[in-house]
Amino acid sequence: GNSVTQMEGPVTLSEEAFLTINCTYTATGYPSLFWYVQYPGEGLQLLLKATKADDKGSNKGFEATYRKETTSFHLEKGSVQVSDSAVYFCALIHNNAGNMLTFGGGTRLMVKP
Amino acid sequence: KAGVTQTPRYLIKTRGQQVTLSCSPISGHRSVSWYQQTPGQGLQFLFEYFSETQRNKGNFPGRFSGRQFSNSRSEMNVSTLELGDSALYLCASSPAPLGRDSPLHFGNGTRLTVT
Repeated sequence: GNSVTQMEGPVTLSEEAFLTINCTYTATGYPSLFWYVQYPGEGLQLLLKATKADDKGSNKGFEATYRKETTSFHLEKGSVQVSDSAVYFCALIHNNAGNMLTFGGGTRLMVKP
Repeated sequence: KAGVTQTPRYLIKTRGQQVTLSCSPISGHRSVSWYQQTPGQGLQFLFEYFSETQRNKGNFPGRFSGRQFSNSRSEMNVSTLELGDSALYLCASSPAPLGRDSPLHFGNGTRLTVT
């Protein structure tokens, strides 16, 4: 079946540091890939997505590129802020699994001033 | 436009009881999907409803059920509660059935504690 693996957290960074959260997936063909963010006490919000190989999703300074050759969708941001502290989830959706959303385990990011 | 509304926000139940959670989607959204979030298992898909029909169901026992009404509001029911059912239950709505380009909008969840 499909699966998503993320680096375990927490990831602790100082403000303005560079962020990378690794995400790799297992699925046949070409799933769509997503990053969701969950702030404390809230539900998930879509951060960015990519639906085909080599697509780059971007939003609010975050970027991720769909790499078919390495089955990866790593999240990056050049300069993090304290307000970016949250849990980040990588996810995929594929019609080989009835279009069910499959999530990674989540990575907690803590940004210190 | 109002977001996805889940009620209640918090719930405490005793083992063996049953519980019903409610989800009101964004106006015009006809797909509602449900997810269970626990520290041990992470986020897991429960089921999806579109136009009052269940389209998909995740790997959960039959104690977990749901339904969708004609106004797209959805309810999730868990019978014979177990301690392991303690979790944050999230619902999400979308204009179209879950798919490659479906933008999901999540509610803030219902935190269920089973004692």
